[in-house]
Amino acid sequence: DQQVKQNSPSLSVQEGRISILNCDYTNSMFDYFLWYKKYPAEGPTFLISISSIKDKNEDGRFTVFLNKSAKHLSLHIVPSQPGDSAVYFCAASAFGNQFYFGTGTSLTVIP
Amino acid sequence: DTAVSQTPKYLVTQMGNDKSIKCEQNLGHDTMYWYKQDSKKFLKIMFSYNNKELIINETVPNRFSPKSPDKAHLNLHINSLELGDSAVYFCASSLKIGTSGRAGTDTQYFGPGTRLTVL
Repeated sequence: DQQVKQNSPSLSVQEGRISILNCDYTNSMFDYFLWYKKYPAEGPTFLISISSIKDKNEDGRFTVFLNKSAKHLSLHIVPSQPGDSAVYFCAASAFGNQFYFGTGTSLTVIP
Repeated sequence: DTAVSQTPKYLVTQMGNDKSIKCEQNLGHDTMYWYKQDSKKFLKIMFSYNNKELIINETVPNRFSPKSPDKAHLNLHINSLELGDSAVYFCASSLKIGTSGRAGTDTQYFGPGTRLTVL
């Protein structure tokens, strides 16, 4: 029972364009969401988070949008850069307890 | 000055053997975790310790036993290794658990992973 889903295993985007990574969840009790970025042979690193009391959080080129009614969040990267090429995981938790991760989306930014 | 370190990075062993993976964090965090990433890339939590006390124990075989000698270390011991144990195991830590919404406290910092291959 996968509570967090990333239905696109891969995404290719031209450098300078917008990258949009999507994540869906099933548990309405989730109140905190994070995005992690993972390079090969490294552990995931924290990228950006959002609490359920907000619908948008921005940090530089990265913006996370949360649509609670649709149980959907997305990560926008603008403009995309080749160094952004990595696997992106979304994760969710309820009341700060264990996190549930999606299966990741592999982003390739083409120079 | 690595924040979360794991050893070894690669582990190749025969079925039936017993092996351990070590994890250490120097962030002063109270909570540590073990995750398993299987061949389908699904990152699933196995255990969580808060200040040396087990607080999350997902459905994993009894052959897996975490050990936390102090809050900076959470080692994973696996008995009687099976082919299906082959995966990448990630250790992680966070400042605290159960403090949702407080920026920085829930964020988990991951180690580089240990790729376990059981032959």
